[in-house]
Amino acid sequence: DGGITQSPKYLFRKEGQNVTLSCEQNLNHDAMYWYRQDPGQGLRLIYYSQIVNDFQKGDIAEGYSVSREKKESFPLTVTSAQKNPTAFYLCASSIGIGLSGEKLFFGSGTQLSVL
Amino acid sequence: KQEVTQIPAALSVPEGENLVLNCSFTDSAIYNLQWFRQDPGKGLTSLLLIQSSQREQTSGRLNASLDKSSGRSTLYIAASQPGDSATYLCAVRPFSTGTASKLTFGTGTRLQVTL
Repeated sequence: DGGITQSPKYLFRKEGQNVTLSCEQNLNHDAMYWYRQDPGQGLRLIYYSQIVNDFQKGDIAEGYSVSREKKESFPLTVTSAQKNPTAFYLCASSIGIGLSGEKLFFGSGTQLSVL
Repeated sequence: KQEVTQIPAALSVPEGENLVLNCSFTDSAIYNLQWFRQDPGKGLTSLLLIQSSQREQTSGRLNASLDKSSGRSTLYIAASQPGDSATYLCAVRPFSTGTASKLTFGTGTRLQVTL
């Protein structure tokens, strides 16, 4: 089945530690996104990528980093510089980022908590 | 800056009732509006997408309408079922950039359909 796979489902971070969230898609989509979801708030864009080896900061990129070495994969690293990392993280993809990329497909999310 | 509001934040209805969920946005210069469903601890699933030139879209028991001039959209659910229980989010895409990276999400309405 085609879709987006996020892992792990739950992740715990110790203070000062970097952690990486995995996102893999087999939809052959060019564009991929990372969103953060906090209770009572709308989704906020962290980073997005239009094509392999290219990515742009979203609205809340500080304390996060990404890479896009393969079309299928867009991992997100939450660094120690992110002081409030506890949130639900969602990965999404679309065919493109322009007018063809209207429909977003989402993974099932990763809940990150601080120990 | 675009702001998207969904009221009420939570709603409980008995099975079989028809219901309306509301979405308001402050900037009417939008390219399209999407309604999503999110089950607890899961990702988002796109339900309906309305282009700015359209007035409504229908899928099964769901009907979404758009009044761009007043900055409002409604999601109508007919003959509600317990399986409809979820959080429903709307998101608007600005006309200026047209890119999927600039979606603004509402905070959602949590719907519970009781037996």
